[in-house]
Amino acid sequence: AQSVTQLDSQVPVFEEAPVELRCNYSSSVSVYLFWYVQYPNQGLQLLLKYLSGSTLVESINGFEAEFNKSQTSFHLRKPSVHISDTAEYFCAVSDYNNDMRFGAGTRLTVKP
Amino acid sequence: DGGITQSPKYLFRKEGQNVTLSCEQNLNHDAMYWYRQDPGQGLRLIYYSQIVNDFQKGDIAEGYSVSREKKESFPLTVTSAQKNPTAFYLCASSILTAGELFFGEGSRLTVL
Repeated sequence: AQSVTQLDSQVPVFEEAPVELRCNYSSSVSVYLFWYVQYPNQGLQLLLKYLSGSTLVESINGFEAEFNKSQTSFHLRKPSVHISDTAEYFCAVSDYNNDMRFGAGTRLTVKP
Repeated sequence: DGGITQSPKYLFRKEGQNVTLSCEQNLNHDAMYWYRQDPGQGLRLIYYSQIVNDFQKGDIAEGYSVSREKKESFPLTVTSAQKNPTAFYLCASSILTAGELFFGEGSRLTVL
């Protein structure tokens, strides 16, 4: 089965600074990759996903992630963060059978 | 509005009592899932169901039970056999093939 490692449990950054949240996965088959965001005491919301095609995927609020097959990575980036981006971010990997596995999460804290 | 509704949002129970968490979806999704979330551990799969009247154990099914009598509903019972039931429980649904998960708002269970 596939697995996900999120390399940082906490990432503090200042407002308007760039940020990268790192995600590596392992799998013996082709996978689909996802980033979800969770605000306190809420469910998870899809931020962006890679299913096929272009390896660079973007969200509507300025985040992007690049699928790198050779490095088995799917890092999430944003060039300039806002206070409202403070949340927990989960990387997930799924196979064709919809067996989705989540990383442990990265808590992003944006400071003024 | 289409979505997933979990209830109750907060639940307190005494040790040794069974509790049932409700999950209803009106997205017409075939697959439904229950995850448990603990701080620093990401999401762990308890049970999932891909079709009515059928469900499979996930990674941490011991002490839990589910039913899938209707496509829209997938209730989770936390039994007295679950040794550490205090957690945040998330219900999700998806289309069957390689789809993203749609999450409910979660239910926080505290066992006193």
